[in-house]
Amino acid sequence: ELKVEQNPLFLSMQEGKNYTIYCNYSTTSDRLYWYRQDPGKSLESLFVLLSNGAVKQEGRLMASLDTKARLSTLHITAAVHDLSATYFCAVDFGNEKLTFGTGTRLTIIP
Amino acid sequence: KAGVTQTPRYLIKTRGQQVTLSCSPISGHRSVSWYQQTPGQGLQFLFEYFSETQRNKGNFPGRFSGRQFSNSRSEMNVSTLELGDSALYLCASSFQGAYEQYFGPGTRLTVT
Repeated sequence: ELKVEQNPLFLSMQEGKNYTIYCNYSTTSDRLYWYRQDPGKSLESLFVLLSNGAVKQEGRLMASLDTKARLSTLHITAAVHDLSATYFCAVDFGNEKLTFGTGTRLTIIP
Repeated sequence: KAGVTQTPRYLIKTRGQQVTLSCSPISGHRSVSWYQQTPGQGLQFLFEYFSETQRNKGNFPGRFSGRQFSNSRSEMNVSTLELGDSALYLCASSFQGAYEQYFGPGTRLTVT
């Protein structure tokens, strides 16, 4: 079965702190995506990771992909309130569709 | 360039009715995918169309159907609506399948 698991499901963190969201997937893939979703809104593309060892950074967010471990991480550095949202990872298993993780609801506390 | 557009943005229907949702992809994109998002089931793939052909279908009952037109615009239809069909329906377009999909604003369907 093609599965994508994210953890944690909920994350409450203080401004200025660092934290990591994990995304594990069940079988071989070298295409992984991270999206952000604000309440009531659509999905905003954050990162596209297309090979083993890929690392992308944008502002306080950095994403990496380890295809051998079937693991991607989204690292948040010195969190600010504007980063409060739900973050999804999604994997392309080569079947012309994205399989999404459960999402991580991130709340940044001042 | 213009993004993915979906109409209508909000819809309220009664059980047993049917509904049609529309999606216009980014210009030049030939692949359109549909996803359903609910609090309980999360984001689930419905189907994908490429050049007017359905290439992939998710695990949804036959009440859910779709089509794509020659201009790549797509519609999805849900017949005999059930309360559990209440969801945010997202459309995504790309040049090719799941690679770098761009999502539309979604249609919020409420079934009463």
